[in-house]
Amino acid sequence: DSGVTQTPKHLITATGQRVTLRCSPRSGDLSVYWYQQSLDQGLQFLIQYYNGEERAKGNILERFSAQQFPDLHSELNLSSLELGDSALYFCASSEREASGANNEQFFGPGTRLTVL
Amino acid sequence: GNSVTQMEGPVTLSEEAFLTINCTYTATGYPSLFWYVQYPGEGLQLLLKATKADDKGSNKGFEATYRKETTSFHLEKGSVQVSDSAVYFCALRYNFNKFYFGSGTKLNVKP
Repeated sequence: DSGVTQTPKHLITATGQRVTLRCSPRSGDLSVYWYQQSLDQGLQFLIQYYNGEERAKGNILERFSAQQFPDLHSELNLSSLELGDSALYFCASSEREASGANNEQFFGPGTRLTVL
Repeated sequence: GNSVTQMEGPVTLSEEAFLTINCTYTATGYPSLFWYVQYPGEGLQLLLKATKADDKGSNKGFEATYRKETTSFHLEKGSVQVSDSAVYFCALRYNFNKFYFGSGTKLNVKP
């Protein structure tokens, strides 16, 4: 158990809908990262937040957005969902802002999103 | 651009066999390199890392050496166990916080 929790574990929805994925980082971790893992694209970095502020952006679509709240939990919002958005979404957390050699990322178990 | 290429799986080995999973990368500058392992139903766990050329990362019997001249970071283990069965991801970290992952290599170890 990494200490990172994600809810829900599974989510099934229809095209065009909007969903919110939630992540609680390990106690004491200030950085949260979101990743998308799909069969055709592999594992892709989406976005990082540190202490409530956006720090780095990867291959995140405009239909997707995220935020980190004062209690440090984070939410990833996916809107106008398409079939291709079906994937496993991982959250990771780390203690500090930069992913340095000693700033390991701890991954949650993921949320499996299925868009029908 | 930046990318990571790793050998396609699945790789099937017998227990105590020697393991090599190839990983090559393309990057400008000097990325840090990582191997992550994903067990069934779980998130990724950091296995080992190397932050500069010629560094060797090692953990749990696994090793990988950062080779700048061949832009490679191959994962090796001298004697695999059934419990090593998992998906292994090679990754590079570039520009402070951005990670690029390979497509993953599934390892099956048979008793």
